Amino acid sequence: NAGVTQTPKFQVLKTGQSMTLQCAQDMNHEYMSWYRQDPGMGLRLIHYSVGAGITDQGEVPNGYNVSRSTTEDFPLRLLSAAPSQTSVYFCASSYRPIRQTNEKLFFGSGTQLSVL
Amino acid sequence: AQKVTQAQTEISVVEKEDVTLDCVYETRDTTYYLFWYKQPPSGELVFLIRRNSFDEQNEISGRYSWNFQKSTSSFNFTITASQVVDSAVYFCALSELSAGGTSYGKLTFGQGTILTVHP
Repeated sequence: NAGVTQTPKFQVLKTGQSMTLQCAQDMNHEYMSWYRQDPGMGLRLIHYSVGAGITDQGEVPNGYNVSRSTTEDFPLRLLSAAPSQTSVYFCASSYRPIRQTNEKLFFGSGTQLSVL
Repeated sequence: AQKVTQAQTEISVVEKEDVTLDCVYETRDTTYYLFWYKQPPSGELVFLIRRNSFDEQNEISGRYSWNFQKSTSSFNFTITASQVVDSAVYFCALSELSAGGTSYGKLTFGQGTILTVHP
């Protein structure tokens, strides 16, 4: 049981390049999400998904795309990287609506992205 | 819109001192969930506690305790007899509920408080 796995751990891009941050969980979690962490701003929600085939925007969705074709995977795509997307990205998942149990978010170990 | 404020950007203490990290939140929901996460220097996010808005009982877990006061919209975190290993960034977070009253983990995070415990 690996939990939430993010790859890569580090990435450097040039402005305008595209790439995909991978996120996979092996806990059969319905809910998955992506956050970015910037100094002094905490973590901000980019996109989230409540199940396969269902995605929605969070607080800062511009410049990012997501899809959820399987329960396990929730990749985050940067279509044309910009320096403003330099950040640490965290993927998170949970099994069911948090209200119904004492459930919590499980976070991946993060991806540090630099856009030059 | 929901908002979480951690007014203390950085706190520095000497080992064995007690330290309280403040968290103030804003929400229109009558039912919500509050969390604390720890981020050590290694970078991962470690879950510490979740509190339901309808349960104002304070909680203690070893050296950690949490004081939830709905009347002042605060959810403060106290570390008793701090240790060097407590050095980390601590985040307070508030969950958003869907129209059906469930929380899918859409968290609003505070800015974080950097705690440094010196030996």
